[in-house]
Amino acid sequence: QKEVEQNSGPLSVPEGAIASLNCTYSDRGSQSFFWYRQYSGKSPELIMSIYSNGDKEDGRFTAQLNKASQYVSLLIRDSQPSDSATYLCAAHSNYQLIWGAGTKLIIKP
Amino acid sequence: DAGVIQSPRHEVTEMGQEVTLRCKPISGHNSLFWYRQTMMRGLELLIYFNNNVPIDDSGMPEDRFSAKMPNASFSTLKIQPSEPRDSAVYFCASSSRQLYGYTFGSGTRLTVV
Repeated sequence: QKEVEQNSGPLSVPEGAIASLNCTYSDRGSQSFFWYRQYSGKSPELIMSIYSNGDKEDGRFTAQLNKASQYVSLLIRDSQPSDSATYLCAAHSNYQLIWGAGTKLIIKP
Repeated sequence: DAGVIQSPRHEVTEMGQEVTLRCKPISGHNSLFWYRQTMMRGLELLIYFNNNVPIDDSGMPEDRFSAKMPNASFSTLKIQPSEPRDSAVYFCASSSRQLYGYTFGSGTRLTVV
């Protein structure tokens, strides 16, 4: 059974701090990894994708991938209250995305 | 680009009734996915179409569920008869190259009473 594991949270972070979200995946054959943000009552929105080991930065967001450890993370710098949402990690396996259960992030003003 | 369009946004129906959910994928996207999301089970893949052909329907929970994609711009998910345990948010997503991720529609919140 291919799985993606995430801590469900909630993860509470003060405004302006760095939020660190993590996930692990079981399929060593996975080559593409994604972070989606989902606000309450809304649909998942793709915010980051990463395909190679190392870091990928986009604005306040940095995705990190370590294939040897089967570990993916998302860092959010200068966290804002608008970053409060559930963050879903997904790994591409065969023809589909394998989804984590999501981590609820709360940014406290 | 209008994105993935789903209708209706909300549906309330009585147990035993037929429910049809609709999806228009992004033009040029050749992969289409139907998902169900609940608090208990998270995102569950129901069925996957590639070039209008169903590739994997192993996630369809029962024979009460059926899906069609008659052309590249339209898909339906039908539940007949509906049951209270079918209450969930149903998402449609499409992709041009799956390695680049999916785009989700706004979802249909289904309540079966």
